[in-house]
Amino acid sequence: GAGVSQSPSNKVTEKGKDVELRCDPISGHTALYWYRQRLGQGLEFLIYFQGNSAPDKSGLPSDRFSAERTGESVSTLTIQRTQQEDSAVYLCASSLSRGSNQPQHFGDGTRLSIL
Amino acid sequence: DQQVKQNSPSLSVQEGRISILNCDYTNSMFDYFLWYKKYPAEGPTFLISISSIKDKNEDGRFTVFLNKSAKHLSLHIVPSQPGDSAVYFCAASGLTGGYNKLIFGAGTRLAVHP
Repeated sequence: GAGVSQSPSNKVTEKGKDVELRCDPISGHTALYWYRQRLGQGLEFLIYFQGNSAPDKSGLPSDRFSAERTGESVSTLTIQRTQQEDSAVYLCASSLSRGSNQPQHFGDGTRLSIL
Repeated sequence: DQQVKQNSPSLSVQEGRISILNCDYTNSMFDYFLWYKKYPAEGPTFLISISSIKDKNEDGRFTVFLNKSAKHLSLHIVPSQPGDSAVYFCAASGLTGGYNKLIFGAGTRLAVHP
């Protein structure tokens, strides 16, 4: 497809379970970003990939969160031992390059609900 | 520490009138500012941006104004249409550590009514 694709669109799971969220960026986009939006709040930066490497992981809320990117394409965000405060919409974005004049294009997000 | 603030959580405007959405920032190192529009259950969509070296950028019905001395920017929509009803996010960026990290405001919900 032409845009950023994320799956699943919705995920409901029990507290303590692990979840994996997937992002397919726009083809050719070297930069990939993960954000989180909690209810009523703005987007919170989590992690950035340039190619397959993640120069900055400082936005990850805890060591239960990890992410990887392979083939300069698909990225997965993994949350282990989920907690209720992890409930949020997780958004992925990609941009052609890392320059600040390059708009980031977002997917529709994964709505994660932890019971 | 909110570096980007949108102090109005909501705005209601009549169709055909001007909508003005405001945004304040604290970090003078930001070099690019962007506005995104978000419909429910969809990801944010890029709308318009402005470089810190400019004070105005216009694209059709949308104009963004930047006042660097006041660390303030605004988005003007003229004329407003019902389809403009959405949440608008202001975002700021700069090459922090060599990459384009966006800092978002909390958003303003715009409702355009007939």
